Amino acid sequence: GAGVSQSPSNKVTEKGKDVELRCDPISGHTALYWYRQSLGQGLEFLIYFQGNSAPDKSGLPSDRFSAERTGGSVSTLTIQRTQQEDSAVYLCASSPRTNYPENEKLFFGSGTQLSVL
Amino acid sequence: DAKTTQPPSMDCAEGRAANLPCNHSTISGNEYVYWYRQIHSQGPQYIIHGLKNNETNEMASLIITEDRKSSTLILPHATLRDTAVYYCIVSTGNQFYFGTGTSLTVIP
Repeated sequence: GAGVSQSPSNKVTEKGKDVELRCDPISGHTALYWYRQSLGQGLEFLIYFQGNSAPDKSGLPSDRFSAERTGGSVSTLTIQRTQQEDSAVYLCASSPRTNYPENEKLFFGSGTQLSVL
Repeated sequence: DAKTTQPPSMDCAEGRAANLPCNHSTISGNEYVYWYRQIHSQGPQYIIHGLKNNETNEMASLIITEDRKSSTLILPHATLRDTAVYYCIVSTGNQFYFGTGTSLTVIP
């Protein structure tokens, strides 16, 4: 498919375990974003990548959260020692990041529903 | 942080125009106004964006006031499938901070 792909679609884990969430952006998109959406809430910005670099990590809630991107493509969001308040939908988006902001549109994946028991 | 203010919810009769307002009084000269919507259980979807001129595409129209401190998204003939949360965002194209949006319910 040509869209943003996220895996797994659902993840149930026990409190204290580590989890990895994966995002495959649209081919050729240089910018990649992670958001978190708790039940009934808006989207909370987590981190943004331009290529493999993360110019803005300001949204990561704590040092238990980290993310990396390799080859300017796939990104992994890792949550260590998960807590119940980490339960949410984690959404990934990519954009082409041309030199023209009028072309900057985010394309979202379907998200990963994380449930921490 | 989101730099926009939107009403939390609105209703619209099917077939009528839905007018969704957004205040962005602190918008900078190089920031665009973007609109996205999120249908239940899906990722947000791009609708439209503009800088200072009114814009129209196949999905909607965007009206931006002359001082650019507010805008209105217009869905000309709302259908039941337009029931969603609508997010108004201001951005230079580098960062996109979503607020809580407006939950639009289209009523049969």
